[in-house]
Formats: sequence, C-alpha cells, structure tokens
Amino acid sequence: DAGVIQSPRHEVTEMGQEVTLRCKPISGHDYLFWYRQTMMRGLELLIYFNNNVPIDDSGMPEDRFSAKMPNASFSTLKIQPSEPRDSAVYFCASKDRGSYTFGSGTRLTVV
Amino acid sequence: GQQVMQIPQYQHVQEGEDFTTYCNSSTTLSNIQWYKQRPGGHPVFLIQLVKSGEVKKQKRLTFQFGEAKKNSSLHITATQTTDVGTYFCAGSLKGGNKLVFGAGTILRVKS
Repeated sequence: DAGVIQSPRHEVTEMGQEVTLRCKPISGHDYLFWYRQTMMRGLELLIYFNNNVPIDDSGMPEDRFSAKMPNASFSTLKIQPSEPRDSAVYFCASKDRGSYTFGSGTRLTVV
Repeated sequence: GQQVMQIPQYQHVQEGEDFTTYCNSSTTLSNIQWYKQRPGGHPVFLIQLVKSGEVKKQKRLTFQFGEAKKNSSLHITATQTTDVGTYFCAGSLKGGNKLVFGAGTILRVKS
C-alpha cells in the first residue's frame, strides 16, 4: 500500500486566493482526519470523517475552511479566501481500528 | 475540553544519555498513543497503550501508561543520533475516535 497520499506537497499562494488540499487515504480505512500543524499551536484536529460522513468539525477555525469526502478514496480541504495566518503544514491521516497513518503533509504558505 | 500536556518542550542530550518525556491528561483516557516526527517529516506511529499500568518496550524505548490512565511516559535508553525528532503523545477518550495530541517534546542528540 502506498500509504496516505497528499497533494500538493508545497503550495504558495497569495492572500485572498482559494486553496484546495487533497488526500487519498489508505484503502479500507474508514476514518479520515485533517490536522494542521504550526509552531505556536502544535497539531490541531480540524475535522474528521467516518465512512465519508463528517463527524466532528469543531476544530475548523472559521467559515473560510471547508472539507469534503465525496467517496472513500478522496477528501479535500478548501480554504477560501486564504489568509497569511493559514500558513501551516496540513496533514491528512487515516485509520481503521487503531493507529493513525499520516500523509506527508502539505506545506501551505500564504503571502 | 480534553487537554493533553507534555513536558519537557525541548531536550538536548549527549549521545548515550537517557531521555524521558512525560504526558498528562486532564481526563481519564481510553488509550494513549506515541508518535515520532523527524524534522521535516510527518508523525509516525510508535505504539499504543490501553491497559492501566501497562509497560511496553521497543528495543531502547520503554513506554508506560499510568495506573489512573491519565499519564504516560516514553523513556529512551542510551540515545543515538537516529533518535532525533519530536515525540508526541496522543490520547483518546472512551468511545472516542479522535486523538488529542500533546505539544510534543523535541529531542536533539549531540554526538
């Protein structure tokens, strides 16, 4: 298995632009999580899905952030409009029963 | 809400010295997991502890879960340069599916 696949690896965008991050979980894993990592706030859970259904989005910072999981093999995290304070590494992780497997992350820089 | 505190924030040791990081939760945990993140990398699962008072070993790493299931520790014996990275504990509540991560302990090893 190729593991959790995220794209792009790096994204640099201008303030106000829309940004879409993508994730392909491990096949058969029925949970998918989106985390954001910054020096100041560490690893923060943004949202998670179970069987493609959003279960807890209490960590989504504001309405500019949205996430979807149209099928078991694909999820997106969208930021519209983006702001400099959104700059961070965004990780996607999936799990079946136990441990989480993280993707390599997307390093987002908003200038 | 649930909080997981981790100390120390940072530790710099001489190669061959031991290292310990501690994790405390404000609430009783169902289980606790430990992850390692190399510089520039993503969190990688190390181990999960479930039982009260559980102790598990992986080569030079020893993991403990407290009797009250509110605290945990990771001890590395005779550190090596390959141990460099950030070590995170992450806990979940009973019946919960989301992990709350501690802030992590950054380990640097001088050779």
